[in-house]
Amino acid sequence: DAKTTQPPSMDCAEGRAANLPCNHSTISGNEYVYWYRQIHSQGPQYIIHGLKNNETNEMASLIITEDRKSSTLILPHATLRDTAVYYCIVRVYTGNQFYFGTGTSLTVIP
Amino acid sequence: ETGVTQSPTHLIKTRGQQVTLRCSSQSGHNTVSWYQQALGQGPQFIFQYYREEENGRGNFPPRFSGLQFPNYSSELNVNALELDDSALYLCASSYRGARLETQYFGPGTRLLVL
Repeated sequence: DAKTTQPPSMDCAEGRAANLPCNHSTISGNEYVYWYRQIHSQGPQYIIHGLKNNETNEMASLIITEDRKSSTLILPHATLRDTAVYYCIVRVYTGNQFYFGTGTSLTVIP
Repeated sequence: ETGVTQSPTHLIKTRGQQVTLRCSSQSGHNTVSWYQQALGQGPQFIFQYYREEENGRGNFPPRFSGLQFPNYSSELNVNALELDDSALYLCASSYRGARLETQYFGPGTRLLVL
């Protein structure tokens, strides 16, 4: 069962920051927050993960609230190639599976 | 470094037939997970293989089975195909033993059952 809640769709203007929210109110202390994205009919692509601190890599930033019940993925300068479905997942650091929900369909508009 | 590869890319079968899908894991990875993704849905976990044994299974019937080979590649077998088995089948590899077991996905095999 998916343990996260995401809005079904969002739009973002090209060049602007895309902020994708995720609620995970039942997250446990040993569960990480992962973000993947899936461009149409391709395999999901790993973006970033975090436990309690904010994280940044070459693709995105992840902001996790202090109570860890929600997080936001930030794409700082969205491009048309960022149009995809974005999945927020919570998972123990090592385990059998990822629970995917239905994700957020992000459309970057020229 | 070679990423996760899957074969074939597309496949058409008829109801009642059997199908085998293949996955080569990313270099250095020892664990393979399989997912089924129906149209418009997120991927659903089928099972995972580690050290050539099934190591966790989702809510899928026994006609979904798998294998992992000594080189860590894997097969997904589906018997007695049903129309609802039409989906994108995704393979993901990871390294069991790393501090964080991030899964990396292949491009998938799209199966159509007629």
